[in-house]
Amino acid sequence: DAGVTQSPTHLIKTRGQHVTLRCSPISGHKSVSWYQQVLGQGPQFIFQYYEKEERGRGNFPDRFSARQFPNYSSELNVNALLLGDSALYLCASSLDGGNTIYFGEGSWLTVV
Amino acid sequence: GNSVTQMEGPVTLSEEAFLTINCTYTATGYPSLFWYVQYPGEGLQLLLKATKADDKGSNKGFEATYRKETTSFHLEKGSVQVSDSAVYFCALLPGGSYIPTFGRGTSLIVHP
Repeated sequence: DAGVTQSPTHLIKTRGQHVTLRCSPISGHKSVSWYQQVLGQGPQFIFQYYEKEERGRGNFPDRFSARQFPNYSSELNVNALLLGDSALYLCASSLDGGNTIYFGEGSWLTVV
Repeated sequence: GNSVTQMEGPVTLSEEAFLTINCTYTATGYPSLFWYVQYPGEGLQLLLKATKADDKGSNKGFEATYRKETTSFHLEKGSVQVSDSAVYFCALLPGGSYIPTFGRGTSLIVHP
């Protein structure tokens, strides 16, 4: 079975632009969560979705938004990009948002 | 609030040496505790977990014991290999919450 898949794997954006990152969970998993990992740090929780509803939100500005589709895939959107948004964005899925989550390989975002 | 503190890295060892990576936590209630491993250029993989006090998680020769009295979850391995070189993250998930907290990560470098 395929694991959590994310796209794109790498991208470069300019300050002020918008970015959309995509995630497909493991088949059968209904929960998707998003994390930001800055170089040298641990992942920081951004959002969790379960059954298309937002179940948790971390301490990130409103420029960050996400949604989950009927097939349980998810998008993370970031508006008005700042240099500090440069990071690895990780998606994780789980059956129900419980304590066993599986990470994708991430999307590397560089803002210049 | 919840927090996870890991020992500073990098930890540099020779092959077959004994490994300990310290992790202590602060949390309300009774969290579940996790160790994740991140190989270069990849996402995080769950290494082991423990969900209640005195539980021992183990996987691939690694083990960690949930010590409530010392609020610790130290990672150990009796004999490391070059292939164990990676960054190791300690994390907690509070009971009843869907929002995990990760430590900053500890880099392990194993020399032949």
